[in-house]
Amino acid sequence: EVQLVESGGGLVKPGGSLRLSCAASGFTFSNAWMTWVRQAPGKGLEWVGRIKSKTDGGTTDYAAPVKDRFTMSRDDSKNTLYLQMNSLKTEDTAVYYCVKYDYWGQGTLVTVSS
Amino acid sequence: QTVVTQEPSLTVSPGGTVTLTCASSTGAVTSGYYPNWFQQKPGQAPRALIYSTSNKHSWTPARFSGSLLGGKAALTLSGVQPEDEAEYYCLLYYGGVGVFGGGTKLTVL
Repeated sequence: EVQLVESGGGLVKPGGSLRLSCAASGFTFSNAWMTWVRQAPGKGLEWVGRIKSKTDGGTTDYAAPVKDRFTMSRDDSKNTLYLQMNSLKTEDTAVYYCVKYDYWGQGTLVTVSS
Repeated sequence: QTVVTQEPSLTVSPGGTVTLTCASSTGAVTSGYYPNWFQQKPGQAPRALIYSTSNKHSWTPARFSGSLLGGKAALTLSGVQPEDEAEYYCLLYYGGVGVFGGGTKLTVL
């Protein structure tokens, strides 16, 4: 059974940093292209970024609002995906989902507020 | 900035057929945008329905189908069930970067 479990969310002040993790199981993580998607309270879905598998180059793509502030990485030995978020803004407040194109985690809430 | 546009809301009767569309501000949507469709019910994480225009996941009910229609990506529900009431989102890829539509709230009434 595929499982994606996000962690690391919480309350952070504007300008602060946070690192989210996504523990994956039930599939060959090293072969998967992984994506982060976020959803602000009461709003629609927003694509954040994607990391390819290492065999496909391991490269990353980011949405314009987070480019140069957020960094995705992966540790295939730990079956874990990461999202390092720096220079956080109030508009980054959202539930962050870890996604394997067909499966979604339950999300972790990030609140950016003073 | 690229904008993906969906109908804000649609209403359909049980047993009826409805088509949701997904348009790109850059022009006609083609298979090269790898259209994906997702369903989200209140309080739940989204669920994937369709990938690469028309491919279904193993759990996608047969009444859901994806296509390209008049320069847009489309999701058609045939024989709508009450449990299909939900928010539906499309996702298009632009050179590796994804952009979601604003979502369509489907009401079954």
